[in-house]
Amino acid sequence: KAGVTQTPRYLIKTRGQQVTLSCSPISGHRSVSWYQQTPGQGLQFLFEYFSETQRNKGNFPGRFSGRQFSNSRSEMNVSTLELGDSALYLCASSPGQGLDTGELFFGEGSRLTVL
Amino acid sequence: GESVGLHLPTLSVQEGDNSIINCAYSNSASDYFIWYKQESGKGPQFIIDIRSNMDKRQGQRVTVLLNKTVKHLSLQIAATQPGDSAVYFCAETVVGGNKLVFGAGTILRVKS
Repeated sequence: KAGVTQTPRYLIKTRGQQVTLSCSPISGHRSVSWYQQTPGQGLQFLFEYFSETQRNKGNFPGRFSGRQFSNSRSEMNVSTLELGDSALYLCASSPGQGLDTGELFFGEGSRLTVL
Repeated sequence: GESVGLHLPTLSVQEGDNSIINCAYSNSASDYFIWYKQESGKGPQFIIDIRSNMDKRQGQRVTVLLNKTVKHLSLQIAATQPGDSAVYFCAETVVGGNKLVFGAGTILRVKS
């Protein structure tokens, strides 16, 4: 069974640009969540989707957005990039409607560098 | 943000020794806790979880202890191996929730 796949793995953008990151969850998983990881702030929750609906959103500005498609694949977008958006963006999928069976499976992340 | 990770604490242990990694969680309403291991260049990997109705849970070479009174979690790794070298994170949520709040993380270094 393939794991969570994130593309691209690495990308470099300049300030003011926008970026779209993609995530394919494990087959059969309907929940996809996104986290930002930086050395200064650690791992922070961005948002979570289930059956194409955003159920929860973290404390990030509106420049950060996402969506989920009918096949459970998800994308996140960051507009008007700032230097501080440089981070590892992690996608995670889980099978059910809530975290009660333990495992949230993470992808290897998309490392974004903003110059 | 809800998770602050400035200078990660580092635990250095000798191969074969036991390791104990500690974590203080923030929300007294959290009732589900997970430990993750993150190796360089990879995403976090599930190690073990525990619900608040338990105070101890054992896995293969790992044990998680939960003290709700002081909002403290610990991860014990028996007979630590070089492959255990990684950053370890605790995470908290509520059962049925869909959002994890991560601790800052601890770097574990295993000396051969």
